[in-house]
Amino acid sequence: GAVVSQHPSRVICKSGTSVKIECRSLDFQATTMFWYRQFPKQSLMLMATSNEGSKATYEQGVEKDKFLINHASLTLSTLTVTSAHPEDSSFYICSVQGGTGSNQPQHFGDGTRLSIL
Amino acid sequence: TQLLEQSPQFLSIQEGENLTVYCNSSSVFSSLQWYRQEPGEGPVLLVTVVTGGEVKKLKRLTFQFGDARKDSSLHITAAQTGDTGLYLCAGARGSNYKLTFGKGTLLTVNP
Repeated sequence: GAVVSQHPSRVICKSGTSVKIECRSLDFQATTMFWYRQFPKQSLMLMATSNEGSKATYEQGVEKDKFLINHASLTLSTLTVTSAHPEDSSFYICSVQGGTGSNQPQHFGDGTRLSIL
Repeated sequence: TQLLEQSPQFLSIQEGENLTVYCNSSSVFSSLQWYRQEPGEGPVLLVTVVTGGEVKKLKRLTFQFGDARKDSSLHITAAQTGDTGLYLCAGARGSNYKLTFGKGTLLTVNP
């Protein structure tokens, strides 16, 4: 069964709207979750590391005020794309580390296709 | 700088052919993972390799981790149309949980 649940799977909205994406860990208590962005036929680009109970760690070039991350519990992280514009249209994917230890694989959600008109 | 070089980026073959995808780096990884992704879905884990020189088999797929843990390969025997997808390698380093992804190999297996 699914390890990670991501919702919604698809969002289409007008420019200027803020969009919230949820990522739930179903099998693990996840102190750490990851948010990625993916363009068509390209690999995943890490945006930020979501840390339960503390601030997210953003990768270089990712605007933290644009992409708000909240990780208030061990099973839920949210990514809010604030005042979204067409250039924010992309496929957003979250992942959860499968257990402790750096060699544990990451398990991915099914992604959210965000389309800004 | 791309820390994990994956090749080829695109591959189109006929059903029944064999293929190999490579991931190379100048850095040592504590583990390397291979994922397969279909359009509109998240990546699905195929295998994790941890030990240098390790070989793992998953039906027609054979994964190898280099002795120095800097490179890995995925070999598919007698490819089927159902193997079509984006294959991603990703390396983990030390105690850092972050993964470094290769650029991916978009495989198309034609009937």
